[in-house]
Amino acid sequence: SQELEQSPQSLIVQEGKNLTINCTSSKTLYGLYWYKQKYGEGLIFLMMLQKGGEEKSHEKITAKLDEKKQQSSLHITASQPSHAGIYLCGADRGNDMRFGAGTRLTVKP
Amino acid sequence: NAGVMQNPRHLVRRRGQEARLRCSPMKGHSHVYWYRQLPEEGLKFMVYLQKENIIDESGMPKERFSAEFPKEGPSILRIQQVVRGDSAAYFCASSKGKNTEAFFGQGTRLTVV
Repeated sequence: SQELEQSPQSLIVQEGKNLTINCTSSKTLYGLYWYKQKYGEGLIFLMMLQKGGEEKSHEKITAKLDEKKQQSSLHITASQPSHAGIYLCGADRGNDMRFGAGTRLTVKP
Repeated sequence: NAGVMQNPRHLVRRRGQEARLRCSPMKGHSHVYWYRQLPEEGLKFMVYLQKENIIDESGMPKERFSAEFPKEGPSILRIQQVVRGDSAAYFCASSKGKNTEAFFGQGTRLTVV
């Protein structure tokens, strides 16, 4: 079973729309990572969050870690077809990293 | 500085054969993680290695699977007597230290026919 729950599992949005992907853990997150996987390719690191309340942005993607450090959200503003892919959150568990099942994002032109 | 290199990118094996997947970490990285992604599923942790040592293999199937990360050379994930259910994408990641950012390879797609 997955230690991290991501929602939604899949998302289809019209180009230009905003969207949010959530990642919830039952345990405190000491390091939360967001990755993107393009179809048929490897994983690309997006952002890492460590402090409660932390927020980071990269281009049109913003990620936040809540104060209790048990949930993170990834927000994309004005989505584009290039944003399509699978978004994965990963948690640092000390000895290793565990991942959510991923959110499959489709952006319709 | 080359990223994490995995080879081969695609591997086809007949049932019962052995599959060897290689992962060369980024320069200066001594921690390697292996993950398996089954079709339509997320990444599942398999094993975490630090040079010459297996730190955590809690995600490795008990039989047929083994991993190593020798002092010299790439990390190897070895699957003996492959079965159809082993067909998946296998990703490795490397990091400098235990709690630092991990970089992923492109993955090896194993198909068992």
